[in-house]
Amino acid sequence: EAGVTQSPTHLIKTRGQQVTLRCSPISGHTSVYWYQQALGLGLQFLLWYDEGEERNRGNFPPRFSGRQFPNYSSELNVNALELEDSALYLCASRVRGNSPLHFGNGTRLTVT
Amino acid sequence: TQLLEQSPQFLSIQEGENLTVYCNSSSVFSSLQWYRQEPGEGPVLLVTVVTGGEVKKLKRLTFQFGDARKDSSLHITAAQPGDTGLYLCAGVKNQGGKLIFGQGTELSVKP
Repeated sequence: EAGVTQSPTHLIKTRGQQVTLRCSPISGHTSVYWYQQALGLGLQFLLWYDEGEERNRGNFPPRFSGRQFPNYSSELNVNALELEDSALYLCASRVRGNSPLHFGNGTRLTVT
Repeated sequence: TQLLEQSPQFLSIQEGENLTVYCNSSSVFSSLQWYRQEPGEGPVLLVTVVTGGEVKKLKRLTFQFGDARKDSSLHITAAQPGDTGLYLCAGVKNQGGKLIFGQGTELSVKP
C-alpha cells in the first residue's frame, strides 16, 4: 500500500511569491490534514479537508488556503510568501473518525 | 500559547539509560497519541491511549494516559541509539477532528 505522497520534496522561493504544495492521501482515506512544522515550534495545524470540503482551519492568515479534489488529493497554496513561512509542510490522511493519521514526508519550503 | 506542553524539549543520554518524556495540558482530550519522527520523514504513530489511567507497552516503551485525560508520559527503558528521534504527543479533542501537537522532545541516545 502506497503511503501519503507529497510533492515537491524541497522548494526555494523568494519573499512575495506564491507556492502550491501537493498531497496524495493513502487510497481509501477521505480526510486530509495540513500541518506546518517550523523549527522549534512543533506541528501547527493548518487545514482539514474531508469529502472535498474544508472542515476546520488553524490560526493562520487567509493567504494560506487549499482545496481537496474529488479523488481526495489536496493542494496547499500560500500567497505573498514571508520569511517566517519557511518550514516543513506535512500532509496527513486518515479514514473518517479518530483513526490514526498517516503522514507524508513533507515539503521543505525555504523563503529567501 | 501551547495547548500541550512537552518536557524536556531536548534530552541527550547514553545507551542503556532510562528516560521519561512528559506531555501536559490543562485541557481534557478524548484520546492522546504519541508519534516518532526521524529527520527527513513525517511523524509515525507509536500508540494511541484512550482511557484515563491506561498504560500501553510497546517493547521497551511504556505509555501512560493520566487519570483525568489531561496528561501523558512516555518511558523508555534501556535506551538504544535507534531510539534517537523527535517524540511528539498529540491530543484529540472531540470537536474539529484535528490533532493538537506538543512541540516535541528531541531525544539523542549516544552509544
